[in-house]
Amino acid sequence: NAGVMQNPRHLVRRRGQEARLRCSPMKGHSHVYWYRQLPEEGLKFMVYLQKENIIDESGMPKERFSAEFPKEGPSILRIQQVVRGDSAAYFCASSPGGTSGRETQYFGPGTRLLVL
Amino acid sequence: RKEVEQDPGPFNVPEGATVAFNCTYSNSASQSFFWYRQDCRKEPKLLMSVYSSGNEDGRFTAQLNRASQYISLLIRDSKLSDSATYLCVRPSGSARQLTFGSGTQLTVLP
Repeated sequence: NAGVMQNPRHLVRRRGQEARLRCSPMKGHSHVYWYRQLPEEGLKFMVYLQKENIIDESGMPKERFSAEFPKEGPSILRIQQVVRGDSAAYFCASSPGGTSGRETQYFGPGTRLLVL
Repeated sequence: RKEVEQDPGPFNVPEGATVAFNCTYSNSASQSFFWYRQDCRKEPKLLMSVYSSGNEDGRFTAQLNRASQYISLLIRDSKLSDSATYLCVRPSGSARQLTFGSGTQLTVLP
């Protein structure tokens, strides 16, 4: 049973370009979460999605960042017009989708974005 | 006050030692917590869940003190492979968000 998959593992962009980060949840998981870890800092929640729905985006920056989880295919975190401050590790996590809210979130290996 | 606060360390201990980390939280309504470990440049991995007063799993014991609003992680007979950053985590928001502490770095020395 493959774990959470993320690609690319490393991404280099110049200021002003777009970055697209992909996340495939574990088999059978319908909930996806994105977190960002800035250098020397803890992980910060960004967004929580279910298939075709954004459930909680309270941690997303108001501009340039968007996320989707289409009916088919991986979840995408999109960053437009990247700036140097976007350089970070972006982790995706998934969970099965019960109602308790106590589900374990399993993390992918992360995408390390470097903005030059 | 941060939602979840940890001593960043580093803790450098010899193999076989017992080491304990504390984590304080600000929201008294919190019902559950997690300890994750994160190896250098890797993803966080769940170590233990803490839903009541505590939990024990082999060499690892987690305790929750609701009155003082802290949780602790005790590692007995530490191994070289225990070297990592230990993250104190609280579910928040809709209980789907995880709020992470900044982590406590542990190095176990031979």
